[in-house]
Amino acid sequence: ENVLTQSPGTLSLSPGERATLSCRASQSVSSSYLAWYQQKPGQAPRLLIYGTSNRAPGIPDRFNGSGSGTDFTLTISGLEPEDFAVYYCQQYGSSSFTFGPGTKVDIK
Amino acid sequence: QVQLVESGGGLVKPGGSLRLSCAASGFTFSDFYMNWIRQAPGKGLEWVAYISNTGSTIFYPDSVRGRFTISRDNAKNSLFLQMDSLRVEDTAVYYCARRTGSNRAFDYWGQGTLVTVSS
Repeated sequence: ENVLTQSPGTLSLSPGERATLSCRASQSVSSSYLAWYQQKPGQAPRLLIYGTSNRAPGIPDRFNGSGSGTDFTLTISGLEPEDFAVYYCQQYGSSSFTFGPGTKVDIK
Repeated sequence: QVQLVESGGGLVKPGGSLRLSCAASGFTFSDFYMNWIRQAPGKGLEWVAYISNTGSTIFYPDSVRGRFTISRDNAKNSLFLQMDSLRVEDTAVYYCARRTGSNRAFDYWGQGTLVTVSS
């Protein structure tokens, strides 16, 4: 199983600041198969980024994904009030999907 | 618009069974691979089962293999999860989710249905 580790566990920032979230895999991930999701309390996750760097339809351009191999990053440039949430990375490989434990972005 | 609506959750005793359903609308259901993903209370996301668009290919993680069975009825635009030999640790919100074509991400999710396994 390809284990995903996300850091930090919690990120405390103010609106307008830049958030940098890390996702590290125990084995190499195809760049086509790395995605990021946002989840707010009581809601289902929402797809933000697929294929490492492609924004899903309707996702604002302040959300950007990058990385390769075992290290991937989600950057949110200029946090809006609605961006405070939990973010998960997810990978596919060897007929299996795994998620990271999540990074909570909360208001400082 | 794409809609996925889960049903069938509830309270069940350890060792018991439950069958979840997911009704799909707003897209050609038979064209898409579908999945079940769960989230224990206050915890992260765990993929539970995957089925190809025709039902010919199915995958499970070790945690549920042999106990859970995913299936689909393309004529009725429906996805199912039969859960047997349930354990306390299966307690979670269960989501059905549509998989994207080439990137293996989950682009649409239902609102989830809560399964509680407790004596």
